[in-house]
Amino acid sequence: DAGITQSPRHKVTETGTPVTLRCHQTENHRYMYWYRQDPGHGLRLIHYSYGVKDTDKGEVSDGYSVSRSKTEDFLLTLESATSSQTSVYFCAIRETGGTNYGYTFGSGTRLTVV
Amino acid sequence: DAKTTQPPSMDCAEGRAANLPCNHSTISGNEYVYWYRQIHSQGPQYIIHGLKNNETNEMASLIITEDRKSSTLILPHATLRDTAVYYCIVRVGGGGADGLTFGKGTHLIIQP
Repeated sequence: DAGITQSPRHKVTETGTPVTLRCHQTENHRYMYWYRQDPGHGLRLIHYSYGVKDTDKGEVSDGYSVSRSKTEDFLLTLESATSSQTSVYFCAIRETGGTNYGYTFGSGTRLTVV
Repeated sequence: DAKTTQPPSMDCAEGRAANLPCNHSTISGNEYVYWYRQIHSQGPQYIIHGLKNNETNEMASLIITEDRKSSTLILPHATLRDTAVYYCIVRVGGGGADGLTFGKGTHLIIQP
């Protein structure tokens, strides 16, 4: 287990408010990811990080920002939440070294914007 | 990354082998086949991956055709807990920082 913790697990927020989701890992992995999952769209990549202060956009980055000030934490921020951002958000890390290069996902954060 | 094609859904009887097919006819020589599954409301879980040889681990077996244009994930003795969406993903092994690209997968339903 890569020791990934997402917080909060559930959140209800109002339209227009800022929201920050946290992904915390305990094993010093370099690569971290944020995905969202919606019915009919499957999992889509929002942003990813390849090191401290090194981030890049994914497929659906509009309306989201990220920060990674230390290896263990990758934060996803919705500056002004909209109803279209109601979704389940998954964080992931990528194992490196050896021959696996597999991805391990967190348990998800269910966000509802009302 | 090469595109994959999977059936949208499959049924399998509990205790039988579940064989999930995946077509990836445009796969490149340096691309691996990865399989993940997602049990309802949980994050996706890594199952197995391979390049060209068949692979087996404690969860499943992966059979890749000689021309590498298709593969089959085999769950040898399916249980009700194997009911999930199974994703076949093709990508360069160990390459790049960019994440996995998920398709719609196959919804496998294990029948009691």
